[in-house]
Amino acid sequence: EPEVTQTPSHQVTQMGQEVILRCVPISNHLYFYWYRQILGQKVEFLVSFYNNEISEKSEIFDDQFSVERPDGSNFTLKIRSTKLEDSAMYFCASGDNSNQPQHFGDGTRLSIL
Amino acid sequence: RKEVEQDPGPFNVPEGATVAFNCTYSNSASQSFFWYRQDCRKEPKLLMSVYSSGNEDGRFTAQLNRASQYISLLIRDSKLSDSATYLCVASPGGFKTIFGAGTRLFVKA
Repeated sequence: EPEVTQTPSHQVTQMGQEVILRCVPISNHLYFYWYRQILGQKVEFLVSFYNNEISEKSEIFDDQFSVERPDGSNFTLKIRSTKLEDSAMYFCASGDNSNQPQHFGDGTRLSIL
Repeated sequence: RKEVEQDPGPFNVPEGATVAFNCTYSNSASQSFFWYRQDCRKEPKLLMSVYSSGNEDGRFTAQLNRASQYISLLIRDSKLSDSATYLCVASPGGFKTIFGAGTRLFVKA
């Protein structure tokens, strides 16, 4: 069964540094998403991406965040200057339709020191 | 009011029991509804979509009540492997997806 893959599985970074989280969505999917989950808290929507542009973003997704689909397969989330509170699990998801269920990658654990 | 609200539990049930979870959503424009399960420190995995007519998948039954803005999940004949956090999801149309905080289930032998 096709799956969403994310790298790295764990990223440790000093506060203030930039990080790039990578995702390879399922190949025939057109809708891409990033979520975060702070330990012990709920899964929070960050951003959705369709047709090579951001289609919707949450209040969390401020100017420190950006997304990109640099080629036909990768979908990246960049955090420009990380803060301690960015420590969380970041999940990428993809779907073939905006009303259909999304398939999640197994996440990148981001730890900011 | 939270956009998607769930009883956090935990629900502690013996194997073989029937257990039901409820979820309410605040946005009446919500169009798509799902139940996901999440194991500790893992990604959410789709359990089932929720349709207006209600739907069943093996031991799992989902119901949607649009008038009351309420979704339910029923698990029959609980297994040890059903122990997880169950996440209710509502999409208010467009591209945003709202997760509830989850209901924790422990099934014990």
